[in-house]
Amino acid sequence: GQNIDQPTEMTATEGAIVQINCTYQTSGFNGLFWYQQHAGEAPTFLSYNVLDGLEEKGRFSSFLSRSKGYSYLLLKELQMKDSASYLCAVRGAPAGGSYIPTFGRGTSLIVHP
Amino acid sequence: DTAVSQTPKYLVTQMGNDKSIKCEQNLGHDTMYWYKQDSKKFLKIMFSYNNKELIINETVPNRFSPKSPDKAHLNLHINSLELGDSAVYFCASSQDLLTGAAQETQYFGPGTRLLVL
Repeated sequence: GQNIDQPTEMTATEGAIVQINCTYQTSGFNGLFWYQQHAGEAPTFLSYNVLDGLEEKGRFSSFLSRSKGYSYLLLKELQMKDSASYLCAVRGAPAGGSYIPTFGRGTSLIVHP
Repeated sequence: DTAVSQTPKYLVTQMGNDKSIKCEQNLGHDTMYWYKQDSKKFLKIMFSYNNKELIINETVPNRFSPKSPDKAHLNLHINSLELGDSAVYFCASSQDLLTGAAQETQYFGPGTRLLVL
């Protein structure tokens, strides 16, 4: 089975930096995703890590340590529009011939002025 | 152009009724999915279809049945609706997830908010 843990809620100030952590236990590992989901909307893809290290994409960066079963999403220069839920999803060993990722419950980020 | 679309966006119905949710993707993807997001915000996989074949079926009640008339469509039919079925249902698609080697992202539809009274 797979177990994914992330904080339920975080708050931060506009212009600041925030780090959202995700820890996981899986049987096998084939990649970790971060998705952003605004209230009442669909999740949208942010980043993908399969090797250890940092992947940077504009204001957003994602880090992975496979040995520690750990990832984080780093958001810089926070804007009010970054208020959303951030979902960590892990793709483990294949089930039924497919590598469908398992989602965590998401971290609700509130950015205030 | 909308990549993944679902209808209806909102669905309010009585217990015991049968309802369907439709999903269409115009991305030319081979794999489509149905997810259920409950009040605690967990996104849980229900079904996945690849080239019109069911490739994974999580332990969902058999009141739920996916139907795929073609590669671009995956509809969800629900019989004898129960209160616990109230949730947001998301359709998604991806090019292919079978290899597990590629960076494959899923594209989600806007969701269908189902409320069973």
